Amino acid sequence: DTGVSQDPRHKITKRGQNVTFRCDPISEHNRLYWYRQTLGQGPEFLTYFQNEAQLEKSRLLSDRFSAERPKGSFSTLEIQRTEQGDSAMYLCASSVREGLLSTDTQYFGPGTRLTVL
Amino acid sequence: AQSVSQHNHHVILSEAASLELGCNYSYGGTVNLFWYVQYPGQHLQLLLKYFSGDPLVKGIKGFEAEFIKSKFSFNLRKPSVQWSDTAEYFCAVGGSSNTGKLIFGQGTTLQVKP
Repeated sequence: DTGVSQDPRHKITKRGQNVTFRCDPISEHNRLYWYRQTLGQGPEFLTYFQNEAQLEKSRLLSDRFSAERPKGSFSTLEIQRTEQGDSAMYLCASSVREGLLSTDTQYFGPGTRLTVL
Repeated sequence: AQSVSQHNHHVILSEAASLELGCNYSYGGTVNLFWYVQYPGQHLQLLLKYFSGDPLVKGIKGFEAEFIKSKFSFNLRKPSVQWSDTAEYFCAVGGSSNTGKLIFGQGTTLQVKP
């Protein structure tokens, strides 16, 4: 049973650099989500895709953030010109549409921990 | 505004004690409710979920939660905790809209003493 995988698991970068994270969802899951989690807080929604379409973006996702899911499979999250405030755990989750009137059950990956120096 | 509040930030229990973690939500419309657990060094895992029907939901590892609509609550319970239940617990709410996004509480750290 292959779960959601994320790469890298840890990333240390200097302020102002660009970073890119990758998420591979569970096979055949058509929905993919990105969340951000800071210490002592629960995950905060950033964006989500249904297949290759990005359907919603949080206001937390500033212009420096961009996410793609080019072929409806893996996804990338890029942060340009990183700031110290971007330091957090970036979580990816995937799901398969369960019905019209219910929220999907989301399966989370291990996360990528970003540290901006 | 949509939000989830977990009242207990840090709970310390001895083994065999009973557990109840509070979760209250603010959300317009039909809600779907979840409890996730994060064991040390591991990723978030689903404990249980409520979509509809019986408001008492049973999950893995002996956990259960009760949805009380009138109180906007979804408290997590376990009659007898074990040392292996030491983890962080997150309550989350989603709606019947098409976005599927979850709104999480800030989490409760449970420490079980052997």
